[in-house]
Amino acid sequence: GAGVSQSPSNKVTEKGKDVELRCDPISGHTALYWYRQSLGQGLEFLIYFQGNSAPDKSGLPSDRFSAERTGGSVSTLTIQRTQQEDSAVYLCASSLGRGEAKNIQYFGAGTRLSVL
Amino acid sequence: RKEVEQDPGPFNVPEGATVAFNCTYSNSASQSFFWYRQDCRKEPKLLMSVYSSGNEDGRFTAQLNRASQYISLLIRDSKLSDSATYLCVVNESVRGKLIFGQGTELSVKP
Repeated sequence: GAGVSQSPSNKVTEKGKDVELRCDPISGHTALYWYRQSLGQGLEFLIYFQGNSAPDKSGLPSDRFSAERTGGSVSTLTIQRTQQEDSAVYLCASSLGRGEAKNIQYFGAGTRLSVL
Repeated sequence: RKEVEQDPGPFNVPEGATVAFNCTYSNSASQSFFWYRQDCRKEPKLLMSVYSSGNEDGRFTAQLNRASQYISLLIRDSKLSDSATYLCVVNESVRGKLIFGQGTELSVKP
């Protein structure tokens, strides 16, 4: 079946503009995660959804970052007033949900964001 | 101290070599453990889960030592196609997020 789908694959924006990144998880996966990977850095957790609720937002770096999930499916990550340090690859992952084997996360190809 | 620490790398090995990666984690309450593989400019892909009893998948063997909070990955008979960055990953299952190590780059040469 289809994997995790993210759009756009690349986004170039000017400093100060708002951007929206979209993630379409694997069908039937109840858990959805956002991570980001900066150049030469490891993956950094941003936020986690179980259904439409976000039990863990601890990784959002500032109040310019927000995310929502509707219908237990598609999620949007919004970055307001982008800064150059926001440039990174934003990765979305999904998993079936709770339980040992159900928590394996599958990643989308990511959105490469460049803030000029 | 980082939550998940890996060998710094890079590892440059000839085809056919055996290579071992090590990883330590700081949270003793961690529940699930994985090795992911990430090719250049690609997304991470699950290589294998890691269990206390140890597990093997073809040329790959993973081990977990909960007492020492240590995870390892052994690759036997390295192939050119094994060249990638290997990520040690820990899941704090209460919160669901994955904690990634910085990754170890492997380059297998002819």
